[in-house]
Parts: sequence; structure tokens; C-alpha cells
Amino acid sequence: GENVEQHPSTLSVQEGDSAVIKCTYSDSASNYFPWYKQELGKGPQLIIDIRSNVGEKKDQRIAVTLNKTAKHFSLHITETQPEDSAVYFCAASTGGFKTIFGAGTRLFVKA
Amino acid sequence: NAGVTQTPKFQVLKTGQSMTLQCAQDMNHEYMSWYRQDPGMGLRLIHYSVGAGITDQGEVPNGYNVSRSTTEDFPLRLLSAAPSQTSVYFCASSSGGSNQPQHFGDGTRLSIL
Repeated sequence: GENVEQHPSTLSVQEGDSAVIKCTYSDSASNYFPWYKQELGKGPQLIIDIRSNVGEKKDQRIAVTLNKTAKHFSLHITETQPEDSAVYFCAASTGGFKTIFGAGTRLFVKA
Repeated sequence: NAGVTQTPKFQVLKTGQSMTLQCAQDMNHEYMSWYRQDPGMGLRLIHYSVGAGITDQGEVPNGYNVSRSTTEDFPLRLLSAAPSQTSVYFCASSSGGSNQPQHFGDGTRLSIL
């Protein structure tokens, strides 16, 4: 079945630096790739998503890139701030009714 | 707008007990789902529903039952709790299946002793 691998599991950066989280997926039929941020004691919240007909999408300090050939997609956060500290999940969906999530990346932004 | 509301927030059960986790959404979303979150494993889909009266299994359905009698509510039932079901449970809804952003509740932290 579909599998999504996410790396790294933990990432520590200095405030103002960039952070990159990478995911790979196994099902070539996947066509929707959301990213969620989860703060302590809360449910995941969508921060950005990308569809398979687009290679890159940007929203202020956050960007996502998709390489369909290699079945890779990545989250890029620039000018990191302490409030970016959280757990980030990538996910993939084939357009049916099931979303497969990566295992998560815990991001620490040091002030 | 409350979004997705889950109750209770915390629960401790003994092995063999049953309970129902409640989930309600006020966005008129047809698609609702239940996930469990375990350390190092991300979120895994338990059951989902594409509308009132329609439910189906996800990746890890064993030990759980669901029903969907209204658009708003999607309860998750544990019939005979086991320690392996200790987890954090999240309910989510979306306007268009898994190809649209999902809105999550804040979770129920469940411990089975």
C-alpha cells in the first residue's frame, strides 16, 4: 500500500535560518500533498498544500516543492521564528478517501 | 464557528471497558475521519465516512466501530478496550474527501490500563 517517509525526525535551527523537511511517497497515483503543523496539545492544522500539476507553491515564508518523477516533496521555511517550533507532518492522497501521513518532524527554533 | 469538537479531552479506561469518543463538526462537511496518533508513527486512519449512513475502514480499523447518522456527528466506539489502544485520537472533516484540506479537532488522549 501507500507509504510516506519523512526526514528528519528532529530538526534544530537557529532563529532566522531556513528549515527543510523532506518526504517521499510510494504511490505514483498520489496527486494531493498537504503539510500540517501541530502545536502541543492541539490538532494538526494545514499550513500549505500542493497538487500534482504544480511544481512549487509559496505562501510568505513557507514554500513546498514537488518532484513527481522522483516522488519527492519538501517543505521550506525561511527566516524561522520561535513560533515555528512545532511538529510538522507531510501527507499524500490519491484522490480517494484515504490520506497517508509521514511520521512527523519535530522542529526546534532556538532564539 | 467551533469547527471540529471532540469530547472528552482525556479518558482513562480499564482493559475490557467500552466507551464512545464523540466528534461533531459545524461546517456541513460530508467527509469525516478518525485517526490515531502514536509516537513516531504519524497519524493512521481508523475509519472514515463520506456522508450520513456511509462508513468505511481505514488502515487500522480493528477494535473500533463507527456510525454516521447525521452530517454533524461521527462517534468512534471502542467495544472492549485493550492497552494497545492507548493513543491520542483525532477526528477530522473536509469538504471533499482526502483531496481537500482536513480540519482537525484537538484530540482525545486515551489511556487503557
